[in-house]
Amino acid sequence: EVQLVDSGGTLVQSGGSLRLSCAASGFTFSDHHMDWVRRAPGKGLEWIGRIRNKANSYTTEYAASVKGRFIILRDDSKNSLYLQMNSLKTEDTALYYCTNLISDSWGQGTLVTVSS
Amino acid sequence: DIQMTQSPSTVSTSVGDRVTITCRASQDITNYLAWYQQKPGKVPKRLIYEASNLENGVPSRFSGSGSGTEFTLTISSLQPEDFATYYCLQHNNFPRTFGQGTKLEIK
Repeated sequence: EVQLVDSGGTLVQSGGSLRLSCAASGFTFSDHHMDWVRRAPGKGLEWIGRIRNKANSYTTEYAASVKGRFIILRDDSKNSLYLQMNSLKTEDTALYYCTNLISDSWGQGTLVTVSS
Repeated sequence: DIQMTQSPSTVSTSVGDRVTITCRASQDITNYLAWYQQKPGKVPKRLIYEASNLENGVPSRFSGSGSGTEFTLTISSLQPEDFATYYCLQHNNFPRTFGQGTKLEIK
């Protein structure tokens, strides 16, 4: 069974940094491109970014709202995906989901709250 | 970036009604559009892929159509479990972009 487990969300001050993690199991993680999506309170879904697989040189794409502040990383040896969030803003407050959009697999989400 | 304009933002409707949700892309995305359903406290679930293909296990009352810049999601006869928020997602270009969402409310 495909499983994605998000973790690392917490309360952090504006300007701070945080790393989210996603543990994958039940599929060959290293073969797949992976995405992060978030949903801010009272708002809709927002795609944040993608990291491709090794065959595609682990290249990344980002939404304009996070480009230059967020970095998506992966460790295929640990079947893990990461979201390094720097220079956090209050508008980054959201539930963050690790997802494989191609196969429609989602983590349960981890809540990040950025305080001013 | 491709903008996805989804309408309406809210629909007050009743069990048994037919509902149509529209997404317009700011440029041609061929058929690279998916529709998602999200219920409170749950993760999004893809209903339709490549504009008109129903995911396995999704009831046939859901259908998608369109290509290019205009797309629709239709629910032919609303059931109680369909009251949720629906999103379109274009995956023709990066960055991927979601529509703003359509919330179905009970009238």
